[in-house]
Amino acid sequence: GNSVTQMEGPVTLSEEAFLTINCTYTATGYPSLFWYVQYPGEGLQLLLKATKADDKGSNKGFEATYRKETTSFHLEKGSVQVSDSAVYFCASGINQGAQKLVFGQGTRLTINP
Amino acid sequence: DVKVTQSSRYLVKRTGEKVFLECVQDMDHENMFWYRQDPGLGLRLIYFSYDVKMKEKGDIPEGYSVSREKKERFSLILESASTNQTSMYLCASRPLDREGYTFGSGTRLTVV
Repeated sequence: GNSVTQMEGPVTLSEEAFLTINCTYTATGYPSLFWYVQYPGEGLQLLLKATKADDKGSNKGFEATYRKETTSFHLEKGSVQVSDSAVYFCASGINQGAQKLVFGQGTRLTINP
Repeated sequence: DVKVTQSSRYLVKRTGEKVFLECVQDMDHENMFWYRQDPGLGLRLIYFSYDVKMKEKGDIPEGYSVSREKKERFSLILESASTNQTSMYLCASRPLDREGYTFGSGTRLTVV
């Protein structure tokens, strides 16, 4: 079956530090890959996505590249801000039918000023 | 702006009660989903719906049922609430021609 594994949190960084949150997936077929972000007290928001191998998704300074050879989709940002503090979820889904998404367990990120 | 609205942010119910969680989307999306979110477990799919009156079980359907009588509304029903159903419940929707979901803000349910 399909699954997603994220690096365990929590992750605590200082402002302007470099961020990497690791994500690997297993899937039958070729899934689309997503990163969602959840700010305190809110639902999940789509942060970025990639639909095929070597695609790079980017948004708000965050980037992730779909690596088929390593089955990975690591989230990176060059210089984090306090406002990036949130929980980040990696997800995968095959674009067939309802495209059920499978989510990782989430990584809590805290940025200190 | 597109919206998925969950009727309650917080609910407290007693063990054995029948509980209804409501979700409404205003985007004419065909697909709708119910997930529960628990610390360390991420999001787990309970039920989903392809379209009106169509529903399928997700990964953890036991103890739940759903109803989709109209396209915009997808209800999650806890037939007899139990304490292990205390959780954050998230509703999401998706159109057929686009990838990725739009989520509601969630309902935090506590069963006592």
